[in-house]
Amino acid sequence: NAGVTQTPKFQVLKTGQSMTLQCAQDMNHNSMYWYRQDPGMGLRLIYYSASEGTTDKGEVPNGYNVSRLNKREFSLRLESAAPSQTSVYFCASNLRGGEQFFGPGTRLTVL
Amino acid sequence: KQEVTQIPAALSVPEGENLVLNCSFTDSAIYNLQWFRQDPGKGLTSLLLIQSSQREQTSGRLNASLDKSSGRSTLYIAASQPGDSATYLCAVRGPSQGGSEKLVFGKGTKLTVNP
Repeated sequence: NAGVTQTPKFQVLKTGQSMTLQCAQDMNHNSMYWYRQDPGMGLRLIYYSASEGTTDKGEVPNGYNVSRLNKREFSLRLESAAPSQTSVYFCASNLRGGEQFFGPGTRLTVL
Repeated sequence: KQEVTQIPAALSVPEGENLVLNCSFTDSAIYNLQWFRQDPGKGLTSLLLIQSSQREQTSGRLNASLDKSSGRSTLYIAASQPGDSATYLCAVRGPSQGGSEKLVFGKGTKLTVNP
């Protein structure tokens, strides 16, 4: 039981490049989330998916897209990376209304 | 709009001390509240989840209480150890966030336990 896994762990991009962050959970959870964490700003919700086939915007969705590929996987795509997207990205999941579990994070630097 | 506040932002204590971390929230209509710890460079680890109908939850040396009417939760750590050094975050889930599946997080309390 691996919990929530994220790839890659680290990534460096140049401004304008695109990339996809991958997340998977093996706990049969309904809901999945993408957060970013920045010093002084705390955790901010980018997008979430309350169930397979649905996605909703969070607090800071601009510049990002998501795909809930199936119940296990939820990916986050940056189409044209900007320096303001330098951050640590966390994926999380939970059963509806239940305890939320986090992945180890992806540290992204955009030059 | 729900807001979650954790005071103090940082706390330093000697090893062996019992301590209390505070979390307050502005909208008492919550479904549940969750405490996490985060070690430097790591993800968040869930410590305790308290449902709105519960007054407290315990796990080992940790005890979390919830007073919904006053919008407060406390995390009590008994006999603190250097390994307890981390940032502790609380988060609430409730209808005011526009959906029951979103958490609102505090910014955390950074705890340092000195040997």
